[in-house]
Amino acid sequence: AQSVTQLDSQVPVFEEAPVELRCNYSSSVSVYLFWYVQYPNQGLQLLLKYLSGSTLVKGINGFEAEFNKSQTSFHLRKPSVHISDTAEYFCAVKSGSYIPTFGRGTSLIVHP
Amino acid sequence: KAGVTQTPRYLIKTRGQQVTLSCSPISGHRSVSWYQQTPGQGLQFLFEYFSETQRNKGNFPGRFSGRQFSNSRSEMNVSTLELGDSALYLCASSPPSTTDTQYFGPGTRLTVL
Repeated sequence: AQSVTQLDSQVPVFEEAPVELRCNYSSSVSVYLFWYVQYPNQGLQLLLKYLSGSTLVKGINGFEAEFNKSQTSFHLRKPSVHISDTAEYFCAVKSGSYIPTFGRGTSLIVHP
Repeated sequence: KAGVTQTPRYLIKTRGQQVTLSCSPISGHRSVSWYQQTPGQGLQFLFEYFSETQRNKGNFPGRFSGRQFSNSRSEMNVSTLELGDSALYLCASSPPSTTDTQYFGPGTRLTVL
């Protein structure tokens, strides 16, 4: 079985400040990990994914995430956020032939 | 390349009615998955189709069904609608090279009154 926990339901931050959105997962086998972003009234857009190889993954819009196997984490980071980054962010895990499991989402709110 | 399209974008139905939602995947994608998104439950997997065959199914009652056509377009149907079926229904397609990456459509917002 697999599961994913997004530790913060809401993260407020000021514009140009750094941000980290936390994601922990559990799985008994090796995993693929994903971060998606959802803007209001839209579907989910893939930000980045970890399938194998380098544990530091760079994505679109200046986001990056680091896969930490020992801590079973895949935290999303951005060094300087913009107002336009305000959105809902979802972490997802997929292992083996299981269907993907999504976290409950973290609402990133960027204040001017 | 056009993205995943879903029709209609918004739908209002009353309890007891049935509804059919449509999804057109990205050209060349053969895998289509459906999700239900609600504030209380988050994203929940409904089913996945690949080459017209249901490959995976989530934990939803039999009122929820789907199908996929030979051109990879997919439909999902919900019969005997309940108030709790109000949600955003998302469709996602995956390329043939890997089914791990999903590309989502904008969703259909279903409101059941």
